[in-house]
Amino acid sequence: DTEVTQTPKHLVMGMTNKKSLKCEQHMGHRAMYWYKQKAKKPPELMFVYSYEKLSINESVPSRFSPECPNSSLLNLHLHALQPEDSALYLCASSQDWGGVTDTQYFGPGTRLTVL
Amino acid sequence: ELKVEQNPLFLSMQEEKNYTIYCNYSTTSDRLYWYRQDPGKSLESLFVLLSNGAVKQEGRLMASLDTKARLSTLHITAAVHDLSATYFCAVDDADSWGKLQFGAGTQVVVTP
Repeated sequence: DTEVTQTPKHLVMGMTNKKSLKCEQHMGHRAMYWYKQKAKKPPELMFVYSYEKLSINESVPSRFSPECPNSSLLNLHLHALQPEDSALYLCASSQDWGGVTDTQYFGPGTRLTVL
Repeated sequence: ELKVEQNPLFLSMQEEKNYTIYCNYSTTSDRLYWYRQDPGKSLESLFVLLSNGAVKQEGRLMASLDTKARLSTLHITAAVHDLSATYFCAVDDADSWGKLQFGAGTQVVVTP
């Protein structure tokens, strides 16, 4: 099973709302990632968690707040977003972080629209 | 800073013909990945290339890696319609293993 699940599939929110994106994997992977992808662009790394600890924050604005409650779950809390934050948010996981054979497996994504 | 360049960015293919997508990168790395993305969908892992001279094949797709030239190629043989998608190469940053730098992507459209 190489499945990463994400909920919700679509999310529309106002700039004053607080919402959360959820990502789950049951492959026993110890590294999880959040990416942001704008239309017709490649994914851009936002955060990396390794063994439930934040390992990389790519200078992401504080209105995005990641959380890793356990090794299978990754959340992205959203608050006071801007319209330019509208994008496809992809979660990925890999067996380890930085290991030689660590293919990242991507979830289906959450399409976020900020009004 | 690792930079990854893909070309072409758009490729209009005729069915049954052969084509190649190129992925160049700027710094030392021997880990390169190819992904496929259908419109509005997520990324599907196609190939993992982990050493100089690595070659992987799956169906009509074949990927290779030349770490000395810092070049990977994705070769499509006898294109068919269901290969229409965007293809991304991604290079693992040797200064920060596990941090992928993606190319811009190649949008492939296969027509009869």
